[in-house]
Amino acid sequence: DAGVIQSPRHEVTEMGQEVTLRCKPISGHNSLFWYRQTMMRGLELLIYFNNNVPIDDSGMPEDRFSAKMPNASFSTLKIQPSEPRDSAVYFCASERRGSTQETQYFGPGTRLLVL
Amino acid sequence: GESVGLHLPTLSVQEGDNSIINCAYSNSASDYFIWYKQESGKGPQFIIDIRSNMDKRQGQRVTVLLNKTVKHLSLQIAATQPGDSAVYFCAERGGGATNKLIFGTGTLLAVQP
Repeated sequence: DAGVIQSPRHEVTEMGQEVTLRCKPISGHNSLFWYRQTMMRGLELLIYFNNNVPIDDSGMPEDRFSAKMPNASFSTLKIQPSEPRDSAVYFCASERRGSTQETQYFGPGTRLLVL
Repeated sequence: GESVGLHLPTLSVQEGDNSIINCAYSNSASDYFIWYKQESGKGPQFIIDIRSNMDKRQGQRVTVLLNKTVKHLSLQIAATQPGDSAVYFCAERGGGATNKLIFGTGTLLAVQP
């Protein structure tokens, strides 16, 4: 089975540009999580969805960040406008909540560099 | 100014030795714990999990021990191999309805050949 799929794998952009990160969760999983990882702050949860509904977005840094999950197989994380301090690796993870093994499986990440 | 990143604890072991990575968790109500391995340039990879109603669980070459009295979790890796070199994270899930995980800062395991 395919794992969590993220695109793009690498993104270099200029300050002020819009960035859209994409995630396809594992088929059959009903929870989806967006994380950010930096050397300064480690792994931080930004937002998570259960059954396509946002449950906790308290980790979203500010209004420049938004996330959507229009259906069970796709989610986006958008940064508009981007700033250099947004440079990080962004991970998507998914989970089958309610199963015997409720663990999160991570994608390979998107490495974002904002110049 | 000088940037300061997270200081990762480092465990250096010889190939073939056993490794023990420790983690202190914060929430006494946490009911589920996971160990992840993260290799350079990759996402965290699930290793093993344990629920709060257990104190030990074994996998292939790995064992997780849970001590709820002192809120301590450990990961034991038997016969450590160079391929085990990575950063290891523990994660806890608070009890109740949440499926939000709280991650530790990680431990860097360096295996010397």
